[in-house]
Amino acid sequence: ELKVEQNPLFLSMQEGKNYTIYCNYSTTSDRLYWYRQDPGKSLESLFVLLSNGAVKQEGRLMASLDTKARLSTLHITAAVHDLSATYFCAVENSGGSNYKLTFGKGTLLTVNP
Amino acid sequence: GAGVSQSPRYKVAKRGQDVALRCDPISGHVSLFWYQQALGQGPEFLTYFQNEAQLDKSGLPSDRFFAERPEGSVSTLKIQRTQQEDSAVYLCASSLRRDRPNTEAFFGQGTRLTVV
Repeated sequence: ELKVEQNPLFLSMQEGKNYTIYCNYSTTSDRLYWYRQDPGKSLESLFVLLSNGAVKQEGRLMASLDTKARLSTLHITAAVHDLSATYFCAVENSGGSNYKLTFGKGTLLTVNP
Repeated sequence: GAGVSQSPRYKVAKRGQDVALRCDPISGHVSLFWYQQALGQGPEFLTYFQNEAQLDKSGLPSDRFFAERPEGSVSTLKIQRTQQEDSAVYLCASSLRRDRPNTEAFFGQGTRLTVV
């Protein structure tokens, strides 16, 4: 059974600082997704990582995937208050059911002025 | 519509009541997913449709849960004899793709179900 572990689960940052959220998973997969969720809102897709070594950047967020280590990171550079949200990683099952996602528990990020 | 639409947005049900949650996917989207998101948790997969065919219902927690998509468009998630542990946000997502649909999937805002 695929397990996805995110850490930390809670992250309080000061504006302007850098930090990394980690996403570990338990079985082979080469597709990993990062989402953002604001309170009471739905999931917004941030990054789709499709192969080992994939790196994607959008603004102050950068995501990477190491399929050998079964690890993805979401790096936040010079945080701003607008980045406050919950961030989820999700791993796609490899093999026959290439549609089933297993999500981590999420990282609640609070950026303080 | 412009996005995935779910209704109602909020539903309060008495324990034992049946409920029906509706999802209107983006027009033309072939793939449709239902997820259950408990408070403070990540979404959990419930079921997956490709057009009207329910290809996977392995995530439905019990036989009280039933989903359908009879014409390959609108989908309904029905929960019979609701219990308190069914309280959660139910998310629907749709995608134009059949293959690797998550790569271009869009989520609705969800229905928050509270069972009292």
